[in-house]
Amino acid sequence: DAGITQSPRHKVTETGTPVTLRCHQTENHRYMYWYRQDPGHGLRLIHYSYGVKDTDKGEVSDGYSVSRSKTEDFLLTLESATSSQTSVYFCAIQPGGRNQPQHFGDGTRLSIL
Amino acid sequence: DAKTTQPPSMDCAEGRAANLPCNHSTISGNEYVYWYRQIHSQGPQYIIHGLKNNETNEMASLIITEDRKSSTLILPHATLRDTAVYYCIVSAAGGATNKLIFGTGTLLAVQP
Repeated sequence: DAGITQSPRHKVTETGTPVTLRCHQTENHRYMYWYRQDPGHGLRLIHYSYGVKDTDKGEVSDGYSVSRSKTEDFLLTLESATSSQTSVYFCAIQPGGRNQPQHFGDGTRLSIL
Repeated sequence: DAKTTQPPSMDCAEGRAANLPCNHSTISGNEYVYWYRQIHSQGPQYIIHGLKNNETNEMASLIITEDRKSSTLILPHATLRDTAVYYCIVSAAGGATNKLIFGTGTLLAVQP
């Protein structure tokens, strides 16, 4: 158990509505990541964080924003959800420094109608 | 784009060793090789990683060629529970974070 909790686990919402996904960790690790996974694809990095209020973009960041106001929580927000953002979203933490492996949460399945 | 090439699928008999190959011919000297697996739609599970030496843990062994251009993940005694998509990943260089670039992986089907 990597001590990661994602919420909600499932969500269905409508196009144009704001959505916030939460990733909570219990071990105060510095590095946290958000990925999305679509059918037939591996995971793609959306945003990541290297400390409180320190975040940066990944390869598919358009349409997403993140916040990290405290070490244990990393929030992913879709300001105005679109159907193309229907996906499974995974959060990961990285214990230790560079080159240490990431550990993933159980995912949030998001459907945008 | 992913820096690795893996076969899309493989079969293995239960109880036998599963050997999953990965090609990473453009790997840089400071980049590690990571292996993860994903069962159904669960979150990816970390298996093992290495730089240039062979590594072994309670789950698997990782064999990296001397030129580091390819590697093999070995599950010594595959069980039905090992059926999953296995991802071989080379970490993106630069910075303190570890941005993993996933490809499409190998679907390992363990047969009874």
